[in-house]
Amino acid sequence: KQEVTQIPAALSVPEGENLVLNCSFTDSAIYNLQWFRQDPGKGLTSLLLIQSSQREQTSGRLNASLDKSSGRSTLYIAASQPGDSATYLCAVSLRNTDKLIFGTGTRLQVFP
Amino acid sequence: DAGVIQSPRHEVTEMGQEVTLRCKPISGHDYLFWYRQTMMRGLELLIYFNNNVPIDDSGMPEDRFSAKMPNASFSTLKIQPSEPRDSAVYFCASSLFSYAQAASGETQYFGPGTRLLVL
Repeated sequence: KQEVTQIPAALSVPEGENLVLNCSFTDSAIYNLQWFRQDPGKGLTSLLLIQSSQREQTSGRLNASLDKSSGRSTLYIAASQPGDSATYLCAVSLRNTDKLIFGTGTRLQVFP
Repeated sequence: DAGVIQSPRHEVTEMGQEVTLRCKPISGHDYLFWYRQTMMRGLELLIYFNNNVPIDDSGMPEDRFSAKMPNASFSTLKIQPSEPRDSAVYFCASSLFSYAQAASGETQYFGPGTRLLVL
């Protein structure tokens, strides 16, 4: 059974810091890994999607890497801003299904 | 496009009552997913449809839960009878392609969720 874990569970940092959020999964047979952002009281917004054949994806100040063999992904946020405050979820898609298995989430607070 | 639309946004009901949650996916999307989010269990997939047909309902917790998709633009998730442990946020999501088909990495688009409280 695929299990997805994220550490840390919560993070509070001052504005301007570079951050690393971690995601680990137990079964490497995945199609892809995705990072989502969830704001309070709202749905999820996709940030980055890494195909299983890729090593990383970048979008603006965000960079996500994938090491499928070790079952790990990291989301790097450069020069954090208060607007980055949200919960970040990683999710893996299982092979031969259309299911997404979500991690436990990291609640990020960036203060001015 | 207005995105995925869910109604109601908030629902408070008493134990034993029937609850119906509604979802309108993005037009043209062939896949529709229902999720439940709680503090204890996180975000879990309940059921998903492809072209209005249920594909996998293994995440539906018990027979009190049922989901239908009578047409491409509407789906319902029903709980009958409701129990306090059903209190959660229920999300609907839709996507154009399956992950198996989406070489370009098409993603799921989530609605704002329905916050359900069963007293």
